[in-house]
Amino acid sequence: QQPVQSPQAVILREGEDAVINCSSSKALYSVHWYRQKHGEAPVFLMILLKGGEQKGHDKISASFNEKKQQSSLYLTASQLSYSGTYFCGSTSGGGGSNYKLTFGKGTLLTVNP
Amino acid sequence: NAGVTQTPKFRVLKTGQSMTLLCAQDMNHEYMYWYRQDPGMGLRLIHYSVGEGTTAKGEVPDGYNVSRLKKQNFLLGLESAAPSQTSVYFCASSYGRLYNEQFFGPGTRLTVL
Repeated sequence: QQPVQSPQAVILREGEDAVINCSSSKALYSVHWYRQKHGEAPVFLMILLKGGEQKGHDKISASFNEKKQQSSLYLTASQLSYSGTYFCGSTSGGGGSNYKLTFGKGTLLTVNP
Repeated sequence: NAGVTQTPKFRVLKTGQSMTLLCAQDMNHEYMYWYRQDPGMGLRLIHYSVGEGTTAKGEVPDGYNVSRLKKQNFLLGLESAAPSQTSVYFCASSYGRLYNEQFFGPGTRLTVL
């Protein structure tokens, strides 16, 4: 079952902050975040693992609440280059099953000057 | 390094025709994936492979077959194309270790008439 992302779309002015949420009805092992610009391939942003480990870009931060089965991506002091569609992908189950992703439908972020 | 490449970039088929999409990676990744992306649906996993000679079904495998005869290549076949298979197809690969971030190819836009 696909994780649910909110909001579906958000419009910002340069310099403003945004939060994108991802929630699942299943117990999560990991959450992945990707950004896709129009006509291009998705690009990795962040991975958060059950237990607190994470890997990602310096300018991107995210949280993972295992009990609530939710993750949030925090975009601060947005730049024009942040525009794009953000996807969360989740894996569930134990045993290190961190590769079979189920993606949400995406959040379209538009940053205006 | 070229990363992940996909061939062809665009293709138009008639209903009932067959074709093969080729994905190649030069990062020595163990895991490879095929996704389809349709408007408003996010990325959906078709098939994946956890190593040379292995394949497994994803969320939406019907109408597709795959093969991974060499570690660096992952082929996606459509035996009898249908209009419902009109989509953008992305290949991805990953190391298969702890964080397992996925690297995506540029995509193939397929139209079935």
